[in-house]
Amino acid sequence: DAGVIQSPRHEVTEMGQEVTLRCKPISGHDYLFWYRQTMMRGLELLIYFNNNVPIDDSGMPEDRFSAKMPNASFSTLKIQPSEPRDSAVYFCASSQYGLAGVDTQYFGPGTRLTVL
Amino acid sequence: DAKTTQPTSMDCAEGRAANLPCNHSTISGNEYVYWYRQIHSQGPQYIIHGLKNNETNEMASLIITEDRKSSTLILPHATLRDTAVYYCIVRVAGVIVGQNFVFGPGTRLSVLP
Repeated sequence: DAGVIQSPRHEVTEMGQEVTLRCKPISGHDYLFWYRQTMMRGLELLIYFNNNVPIDDSGMPEDRFSAKMPNASFSTLKIQPSEPRDSAVYFCASSQYGLAGVDTQYFGPGTRLTVL
Repeated sequence: DAKTTQPTSMDCAEGRAANLPCNHSTISGNEYVYWYRQIHSQGPQYIIHGLKNNETNEMASLIITEDRKSSTLILPHATLRDTAVYYCIVRVAGVIVGQNFVFGPGTRLSVLP
């Protein structure tokens, strides 16, 4: 498997613009996670899905952020309108409920977002 | 979930063993110890996990004390490519609850030539 795929790898946009980040999880994984990483706050969980259904979005910073998972192989994280404080690296991860009841998350390479 | 404490940074000579400690004194009986690392500009990478027995894989060994209040990740022959931030995480096995996969600040390991 190619691992978790994210696009774009880098995104530079201006304040007020809409930004859409994309993720393709590992085939067969039934959990998908969106994280954000900044120097100030470290790695934060934003939202996660199980079988395409959002389970917990309590980490989403505000209504400007939304995430969808229309099918098992694709998810988007959208920011509208974007603000400079949204500048960060956004990671997508996926996992599968394991045989021993434990799960391991596999991360994508991330999208580095810069909002000017 | 239990919290973990790790040293902020460590150095290790190339070719030597790197021993990264983690304290998790409030760990519960059903919580596993996970280790991840993050190489600069990459996503976090899974290394190893364990419950109470020592574990070994192709990347590292995990030594968990008998009382499970601390553990050590061992990279047996560190290379320059092992320079990264290493995260120790404790979480309940098989239960994915919103915020319980928490990445703290980790230990920044520098492998020196």
